[in-house]
Amino acid sequence: LAKTTQPISMDSYEGQEVNITCSHNNIATNDYITWYQQFPSQGPRFIIQGYKTKVTNEVASLFIPADRKSSTLSLPRVSLSDTAVYYCLVGVLNSGGYQKVTFGTGTKLQVIP
Amino acid sequence: ETGVTQSPTHLIKTRGQQVTLRCSSQSGHNTVSWYQQALGQGPQFIFQYYREEENGRGNFPPRFSGLQFPNYSSELNVNALELDDSALYLCASSFRDTQETQYFGPGTRLLVL
Repeated sequence: LAKTTQPISMDSYEGQEVNITCSHNNIATNDYITWYQQFPSQGPRFIIQGYKTKVTNEVASLFIPADRKSSTLSLPRVSLSDTAVYYCLVGVLNSGGYQKVTFGTGTKLQVIP
Repeated sequence: ETGVTQSPTHLIKTRGQQVTLRCSSQSGHNTVSWYQQALGQGPQFIFQYYREEENGRGNFPPRFSGLQFPNYSSELNVNALELDDSALYLCASSFRDTQETQYFGPGTRLLVL
């Protein structure tokens, strides 16, 4: 799977919009981009997944430029409960063949009151 | 809630012992993957099971083994436990034949003394 690079940590005040960028220079044509959120001692929680352009759901938006070599997770108006580690993953998650998901070290987001 | 459950939630073993961890997949999912997450690190892929057969393996020794049952639930077995096996063990289920992503359980915290 394509290697991903994210900032190790970020701080944000409550109510602000947070953008976390992930670099994935060697993304393959069939790869999707997925973001997970993880709280301490819990399993990762799926946030959003996309292939190109922009995807939005009830909790986040995912922006993917035309070259797909990076992606940005946008969290609108964060609250203290958004303090967590955010992982960016790139790969074909279900192709009918071998499936593997490789996590990097993630971005630790700290929301400040 | 993802519908993926794991048991037990916590476990303490001594070096050299064997352990079995269990995972119940989300309804409708036919694939289970297992991950090991050391403290402060991202999850590392151990292996995946599809239709009761191992379908891909990460960089883990043979003393890590697994099973998948006809109801798609799964077990992770670790023999000859080592201190470095202390970690959060996560299972994730998915439906192999679509582009749907994986959904993670809450994990089992294993401590090897």
